[in-house]
Amino acid sequence: AQSVAQPEDQVNVAEGNPLTVKCTYSVSGNPYLFWYVQYPNRGLQFLLKYITGDNLVKGSYGFEAEFNKSQTSFHLKKPSALVSDSALYFCAVSPPRRGDTGRRALTFGSGTRLQVQP
Amino acid sequence: NAGVTQTPKFRVLKTGQSMTLLCAQDMNHEYMYWYRQDPGMGLRLIHYSVGEGTTAKGEVPDGYNVSRLKKQNFLLGLESAAPSQTSVYFCASRPDRMNTEAFFGQGTRLTVV
Repeated sequence: AQSVAQPEDQVNVAEGNPLTVKCTYSVSGNPYLFWYVQYPNRGLQFLLKYITGDNLVKGSYGFEAEFNKSQTSFHLKKPSALVSDSALYFCAVSPPRRGDTGRRALTFGSGTRLQVQP
Repeated sequence: NAGVTQTPKFRVLKTGQSMTLLCAQDMNHEYMYWYRQDPGMGLRLIHYSVGEGTTAKGEVPDGYNVSRLKKQNFLLGLESAAPSQTSVYFCASRPDRMNTEAFFGQGTRLTVV
């Protein structure tokens, strides 16, 4: 079974400082990995994904994520945080192939709340 | 560009009442999902569908039923609501490819009293 862990419930960072939101995963084979952001009272918005190739992927709003196969991690990063980045962030994993029907869903982590202080 | 639309956005039910949540997508996606979001638990998969006329159980299916009679619609039913089903429900859809992202609706906030 696939799983995702986000070890930090909350991350606090000062505006202008770099930020990292951690994610580790467990899945058979090479995974597809995703980051989503959720603003208050809104649905989830797609930020970026890793499929294959370069381990550093760039996404929306200046976010990027680094895939590390040996550490089974996919940490979300941003060089300079903004107050408007404050939100709930979710990491998700999808199995690499359709396989049986039981393995076709995205599995999400528990979420990390990012607070950026002015 | 409607994307994924959920109806209703808010609802308060009494214990034992029934209701149906509707999810509609206009992107011709094969896969559709129902998740529930609870504080500290992230999103947990309730049921999902990999095509019209097919449904499957997810991680937390008890107390819920689903139907996908039309490709664009995925219905989530609560036959006898319980306070433990108080949650925010999200519908999502994506194409029939594992490397694609899912698109989410705005959510339905359900309170069972």
